[in-house]
Amino acid sequence: DGGITQSPKYLFRKEGQNVTLSCEQNLNHDAMYWYRQDPGQGLRLIYYSQIVNDFQKGDIAEGYSVSREKKESFPLTVTSAQKNPTAFYLCASRLQGADYEQYFGPGTRLTVT
Amino acid sequence: SQQGEEDPQALSIQEGENATMNCSYKTSINNLQWYRQNSGRGLVHLILIRSNEREKHSGRLRVTLDTSKKSSSLLITASRAADTASYFCATVEYGNKLVFGAGTILRVKS
Repeated sequence: DGGITQSPKYLFRKEGQNVTLSCEQNLNHDAMYWYRQDPGQGLRLIYYSQIVNDFQKGDIAEGYSVSREKKESFPLTVTSAQKNPTAFYLCASRLQGADYEQYFGPGTRLTVT
Repeated sequence: SQQGEEDPQALSIQEGENATMNCSYKTSINNLQWYRQNSGRGLVHLILIRSNEREKHSGRLRVTLDTSKKSSSLLITASRAADTASYFCATVEYGNKLVFGAGTILRVKS
């Protein structure tokens, strides 16, 4: 099966702990993205990467970090500096170029208490 | 930044009726895309309309684009209970980023 996988589906952490969310794709896409979605709201871009070993901040990057060491993988770390980390996190990928659709993973719901 | 703004925020209709959702955006675009999200899931691409197109069809979906008004509409005809979901429009910004609106929540009652 081709697609994007995110793991785990549900994640629980204590406040003050860093946590890393996994995102893997086998679509051979260059670009990968992380979004945050809060209840009843749209998607806000956290970080994106258009090529291996390069990434850019999105609209809400504070308190998050990423790496892109392999084309297939784009893990997101939610650090203790993120003030309100409880949310639904979505990873996506697409081919480079404006006329391509974005493929999404199933999401990870993170709860921090 | 939030490029697309959907209207209405929520829509409730009976099965068999048509559902229309609107999207407005601020800057010039290459294309506009519509996505669907079932509760607690990832988004799924529905349809893409290029800036030089005015209307596009895909099955029960019809999308229009009016670049002079910077707006688009998504029409779902003969709706089914399975169409219940959130619908988002998205536009491509500089840097190859898709920017999503807040979405329209559609509920189709059977």
